[in-house]
Amino acid sequence: GDSVTQMEGPVTLSEEACLTINCTYTATGYPSLFWYVQYPGEGLQLLLKATKADDKGSNKGFEATYRKETTSFHLEKGSVQVSDSAVYFCALSDRRGVYQGAQKLVFGQGTRLTINP
Amino acid sequence: DTEVTQTPKHLVMGMTNKKSLKCEQHMGHRAMYWYKQKAKKPPELMFVYSYEKLSINESVPSRFSPECPNSSLLNLHLHALQPEDSALYLCASSPKPGQGRYEQYFGPGTRLTVT
Repeated sequence: GDSVTQMEGPVTLSEEACLTINCTYTATGYPSLFWYVQYPGEGLQLLLKATKADDKGSNKGFEATYRKETTSFHLEKGSVQVSDSAVYFCALSDRRGVYQGAQKLVFGQGTRLTINP
Repeated sequence: DTEVTQTPKHLVMGMTNKKSLKCEQHMGHRAMYWYKQKAKKPPELMFVYSYEKLSINESVPSRFSPECPNSSLLNLHLHALQPEDSALYLCASSPKPGQGRYEQYFGPGTRLTVT
């Protein structure tokens, strides 16, 4: 079945450092790819998405490019802030897995990011 | 507006209590979901409603009973829970798939503690 693998955390960086969180996926169809962020005590927020190969999703200074040849969707940010401290989930939705107008998300295990001032 | 609301934010209940979690969205989405999330884990899918009909039940124990009264509301009725059911319960909704819209939007969750 479909799966998502993320780099294991936790990841600790200093403010203004560069960030990369690796994400690779396995899917037999044509998945859409997502990064979700979960701040402490909150639900998941959609951070960015990409729906086809070579698409680049971006939001709040974060970027990720859908790389079909390497089955990857790495999350990057050039200069992190303390407020970026959160858990980040990579996820996919395979459009073949549509059930009467709904679809399943497959999540990675999550990467906890801590940014120190 | 991409808001999903959930009430209550926190809930403490005994093993013999009956309680309900509520979820609401006004984005016109016709698919709604319940997830359970334990600490340091990704969300686990419990139920999926599509066009107000239950389309997926991921083998969830019968002490969890979902209900979809209309296209904007989703409830989760709880009865005779166990301490291991303590978790963050997340509701989500999604637009009609197609045209690049395969994402889900999550609410803030209900933190449930079973004593």
